Amino acid sequence: LAKTTQPISMDSYEGQEVNITCSHNNIATNDYITWYQQFPSQGPRFIIQGYKTKVTNEVASLFIPADRKSSTLSLPRVSLSDTAVYYCLVASTGGFKTIFGAGTRLFVKA
Amino acid sequence: EAQVTQNPRYLITVTGKKLTVTCSQNMNHEYMSWYRQDPGLGLRQIYYSMNVEVTDKGDVPEGYKVSRKEKRNFPLILESPSPNQTSLYFCASSTWTGASSYNSPLHFGNGTRLTVT
Repeated sequence: LAKTTQPISMDSYEGQEVNITCSHNNIATNDYITWYQQFPSQGPRFIIQGYKTKVTNEVASLFIPADRKSSTLSLPRVSLSDTAVYYCLVASTGGFKTIFGAGTRLFVKA
Repeated sequence: EAQVTQNPRYLITVTGKKLTVTCSQNMNHEYMSWYRQDPGLGLRQIYYSMNVEVTDKGDVPEGYKVSRKEKRNFPLILESPSPNQTSLYFCASSTWTGASSYNSPLHFGNGTRLTVT
């Protein structure tokens, strides 16, 4: 199963675009990449999921290069409320285990 | 409201005293899973279940048991808790059946903070 590596923390200012990269060198052919956001005292919640190239929804974009060994979560114009921990998850369609990274703590400053 | 409900939210116990943390989901999800969250280690999977009576070990199953007798419930059992099981525990569920993980995000409960002294 693919192990994931993320930066431990990042700082940003309101209105900036934030990019968080996750490394998953051993990703398998059938693995999807999912990102979650977690606020204190709450469970993680789904942000975005992708398999390859680029995926965009109303809150974020996910960029996955052709070799799929990494992925980048892009948050446009962050606000103070985006301060949270962001987790990258690689989940295989062939197996049922889920491997989370250690998470990236994003702190957005005014 | 669609949700995953864990109880209790907080639990303080002593070494060796059996305890159960309950998890219930109202979304008719097949997949359920337990995680523990520790500082610097992120979320680590303890056990998961693909459906009723089907369970399997995650990455850190030692010291834990689970059961899945009904689709909606997936209790986590600590037969003899030890201080190294002090952690924040999360239950999650998904429509994921293993055939495809696309559009099958995990729905998490709000966590159970366990302290074993």
